[in-house]
Amino acid sequence: AQKVTQAQTEISVVEKEDVTLDCVYETRDTTYYLFWYKQPPSGELVFLIRRNSFDEQNEISGRYSWNFQKSTSSFNFTITASQVVDSAVYFCALSGGRLISGTYKYIFGTGTRLKVLA
Amino acid sequence: EAQVTQNPRYLITVTGKKLTVTCSQNMNHEYMSWYRQDPGLGLRQIYYSMNVEVTDKGDVPEGYKVSRKEKRNFPLILESPSPNQTSLYFCASGELAGGGHEQYFGPGTRLTVT
Repeated sequence: AQKVTQAQTEISVVEKEDVTLDCVYETRDTTYYLFWYKQPPSGELVFLIRRNSFDEQNEISGRYSWNFQKSTSSFNFTITASQVVDSAVYFCALSGGRLISGTYKYIFGTGTRLKVLA
Repeated sequence: EAQVTQNPRYLITVTGKKLTVTCSQNMNHEYMSWYRQDPGLGLRQIYYSMNVEVTDKGDVPEGYKVSRKEKRNFPLILESPSPNQTSLYFCASGELAGGGHEQYFGPGTRLTVT
């Protein structure tokens, strides 16, 4: 079975602090894909990043960075020098490769609410 | 403008009265999906479709039906809504690139069943 765990329900930081959002996943697929999505207070869901299971390179995009470690089944998301506009709920998600699991199901974690205080 | 649209955005109905929430995308995506979002539970997939006439169950399909007669449309049908289906519903679409497809979400439909 596939599962995504975001143990941090809510995090509060002061502006300019760095913050890391944790994501741990479970899957028996050898090919799979991991994602992060952002849901700001306005409610829409915005795609941030995709990673496939064969690419363990970390990625940096501006103040955002992602650390993918297969050895610990984790795909953590770090925001450097956080800003008030980063306040949102962040979801980690997992999608299986059809060849193995026979499914294109998409599994989301329960989300981490990040509050950045001015 | 590339987008996923859902209608209605808000709906209040009574138990047992059949309803349909429409979803349409203009990006020619093969993959479409429905989710419900509930506090503390995140997003849970209801149904998904990989192409016209190809649908499959997600994790919480009970009480819902879907159809995919055209590539751009993927309506969600509640034949006999119950109060436990009160939720925020999102439709999404994406390219079917071997499974590694990011999804583009509609604005959401807030459904209340009394």
